[in-house]
This record gives sequence, C-alpha cells and structure tokens, in this order.
Amino acid sequence: QKEVEQNSGPLSVPEGAIASLNCTYSDRGSQSFFWYRQYSGKSPELIMSIYSNGDKEDGRFTAQLNKASQYVSLLIRDSQPSDSATYLCAVGPSNSGYALNFGKGTSLLVTP
Amino acid sequence: DVKVTQSSRYLVKRTGEKVFLECVQDMDHENMFWYRQDPGLGLRLIYFSYDVKMKEKGDIPEGYSVSREKKERFSLILESASTNQTSMYLCASSFRGLGNQPQHFGDGTRLSIL
Repeated sequence: QKEVEQNSGPLSVPEGAIASLNCTYSDRGSQSFFWYRQYSGKSPELIMSIYSNGDKEDGRFTAQLNKASQYVSLLIRDSQPSDSATYLCAVGPSNSGYALNFGKGTSLLVTP
Repeated sequence: DVKVTQSSRYLVKRTGEKVFLECVQDMDHENMFWYRQDPGLGLRLIYFSYDVKMKEKGDIPEGYSVSREKKERFSLILESASTNQTSMYLCASSFRGLGNQPQHFGDGTRLSIL
C-alpha cells in the first residue's frame, strides 16, 4: 500500500500570514504530485500540479517538491479567510496503476 | 473547463434497495473513478475504469459494482444498500496516463441509507 501522509491539523494561521502544508509519500518512484482544496461539504478542486524537483508558483500558491526526501509542500502566501479548507495531497503511482494516492488532508483555518 | 456531472447531490434510499449513481464527463477522458469519502477515513477508491467496458477493483469494492458502456458515463451500483454505505460518493475522471494525470471531481452525491 502506497502511503501519503499529511498532518490532519487543524493548522491555524492569521490572515495575511504564510500557510505551510506538508506531505510525505512512500512510493519512491512517483513522478506526479497534486494539491487539491476541499471546502466543507464540497468536492476536491485541483489547485496545483508539480512534476519536477523545486518550486512551482501560481499566484499566491507555491508547490515545492523534493523527490530525494519524498516530500511535497504547499505554501499559501497572504492567507485569506477564504483559504480555510481541507487541503489534500495526491501522488501518482510509479507502477502501472491509474489512480492517484490521496492523503487524508490537512485542515487549514485562517483567522481574521 | 472539465465538467464532471453526478446525477444527484443528495439521495435517500432504504436498506436492501438497488441504488444507481451516475457520472458523466465531457472531456473525453479515458479514466474514470468512484470514491467514497468518510470523516477521518479520507478518500477511498471503490472502482475505476480505464476504457469502455473495462473496470478494476479499488480498495473497497465489496457491495458495489460498476458499469461503463460509453466513454463519457460511469455508473456505480449498490447491489443491496446497507446503512454502512451511507457516505459522500465522488466521481472523478482523467486523461489516459498511468497515474500521472490530475483527476477532476464531480460535485459529489451525499447518499443516506435508512
């Protein structure tokens, strides 16, 4: 079983701060990594994809990948109360599988 | 934009009923998935399909079956509904590719079995 681990939280940050969400994975051969945002009662929404080591920025979001350490993170700059949600880390399998492996998510609360 | 449409947002059924959940995607995706999501358990894969008439069991297939007669449509069937199948059901789709493509989710169906 390929594991994707996330701290369940809640992670509480003040408005305007940087939120840092972390994810580790066990499948050393994984090549694709995704972050989803899920508001309460809603379905997951893709917000970032990353395939290469290093940083990838998209607006206030930065995904960071370190394959050697099997670690992927999501930074949210200038956090807003509307960023309060659960963030799911998903990792593509290295074998012939088709389905992503999802972590259980980290709950983020941005306080005004 | 990718559109994955699930037939119902909320559904209430009785134990022993045969329940059909429908999912349609408009992006010509080869892969389609059914998950259930429960508090504290995360997303759990029930079944997936990588082509028409093809299906593979996920992590928790017991009590479920699926049908994919057309590329755009993937149906989840609860053969004889039980109360422990009360859950949020999520359909997703992605392009062909061995797990290196993002999955796009429908709005979900909150199913209650009484």
